[in-house]
Amino acid sequence: KQEVTQIPAALSVPEGENLVLNCSFTDSAIYNLQWFRQDPGKGLTSLLLIQSSQREQTSGRLNASLDKSSGRSTLYIAASQPGDSATYLCAALGAGSYQLTFGKGTKLSVIP
Amino acid sequence: DTEVTQTPKHLVMGMTNKKSLKCEQHMGHRAMYWYKQKAKKPPELMFVYSYEKLSINESVPSRFSPECPNSSLLNLHLHALQPEDSALYLCASSREGGPSSYNEQFFGPGTRLTVL
Repeated sequence: KQEVTQIPAALSVPEGENLVLNCSFTDSAIYNLQWFRQDPGKGLTSLLLIQSSQREQTSGRLNASLDKSSGRSTLYIAASQPGDSATYLCAALGAGSYQLTFGKGTKLSVIP
Repeated sequence: DTEVTQTPKHLVMGMTNKKSLKCEQHMGHRAMYWYKQKAKKPPELMFVYSYEKLSINESVPSRFSPECPNSSLLNLHLHALQPEDSALYLCASSREGGPSSYNEQFFGPGTRLTVL
């Protein structure tokens, strides 16, 4: 059974700092890995999708990497802003499955 | 356009009520999903409609029943719910209907359900 872990559970940084969020998964047989952002009481916003054959994806100040062999993905946020404050979730789509397995998320606070 | 819409935004219901949640997407996606999210927890998959076929998470109680009137709409019918069913209910859709590296799921804003 796939398990996804996100470390740290919470992170507080000053505005302008670059930061890295970590995601690990136990079963490397995945189709893709998706990073989401969730604001309190809201739905999930898809940030980046990395297909299993890809190593990284970039969108604006966000860069996500995937290392299937080590079961790890990272989300790099450059020049953080207070508006980046949210919970960030990673989710892996397992081989032969419709089901996304989510991590518990990292709650990010960017202090002005 | 990557928008999934959900109505209502908030719903309060008693344990004897029957209500429905509605989800709609106009992206031509072939799969739609219902998730349940409790506070400070990740979403949990309840149902998947993919290529007109329903898949069910077997742990979901029968007081929840999905309905897919057409490829753009997905309803969730609620009957005789319990207070522990109070949660954020999220709908999602994806272009690819099956296990695929292109299966990117897009979520709606959710319906906040409170069962009294």
